[in-house]
Amino acid sequence: QVHLQQWGAGLLRPSETLSLTCAVNGESLVGYYWSWIRLPPGKGLEWIGEINHSGSSNYNPSLKSRVTTSVDTSKNQVSLILSSVTAADTAVYYCARGTNRHHFASGSYPRAFDPWGQGSLVTVSP
Amino acid sequence: QSVLTQPPSVSAAPGQKVTISCSGSDSIIGNNYVSWYQHLPGAAPKLLIEDNDARPSGIPDRFSGSKSATSATLGITGLQTGDEADYYCAAWDRSLGTVVFGGGTKLSVL
Repeated sequence: QVHLQQWGAGLLRPSETLSLTCAVNGESLVGYYWSWIRLPPGKGLEWIGEINHSGSSNYNPSLKSRVTTSVDTSKNQVSLILSSVTAADTAVYYCARGTNRHHFASGSYPRAFDPWGQGSLVTVSP
Repeated sequence: QSVLTQPPSVSAAPGQKVTISCSGSDSIIGNNYVSWYQHLPGAAPKLLIEDNDARPSGIPDRFSGSKSATSATLGITGLQTGDEADYYCAAWDRSLGTVVFGGGTKLSVL
């Protein structure tokens, strides 16, 4: 059974860089896209982006300029970097496996997310 | 504000049925797959419904999903106190080029 375990710094100052890692246990990275999703306090979920085992990635256009994802197949891990954080980036961040993809002419997208990591609270405060 | 609109809260008594709506444009819901997630306090979100109306293995048939051109609905029957959680819908927005989620609906089982 696949299990996602994530970690990273929980308290950042404005303009610093957020860094989170998600270890995938019980399954290879190959064959799936691995997403990052966040839940700001009092708001709804927001998809940040995704990456697959070969490094192919897609990002939410609203965050694309500040987001980088990476993969380490030797460790079966994926990572998220979000630069120049502000208070608006305060949220619980989750990694999640994308399930089957829907393919269309110009690309594809994840049809659902399962399972999810336990979440990492990141607070941005002066 | 989310492009998928959900009611902020719903409530019902134990044993009863509740539905949670998720409204969006035809370009989001109409042509794409909708999924639903349950988020219990302090836990990771859990996939309840994928591909509009399919239950993953292990999800009881008390949970159901349906979809029309511009809206999707999550149904929960035989409500239990353990069902108290936030519920989110999600779909692909072709115009934005990203997965979008609803704002979430808090279910209270009174």
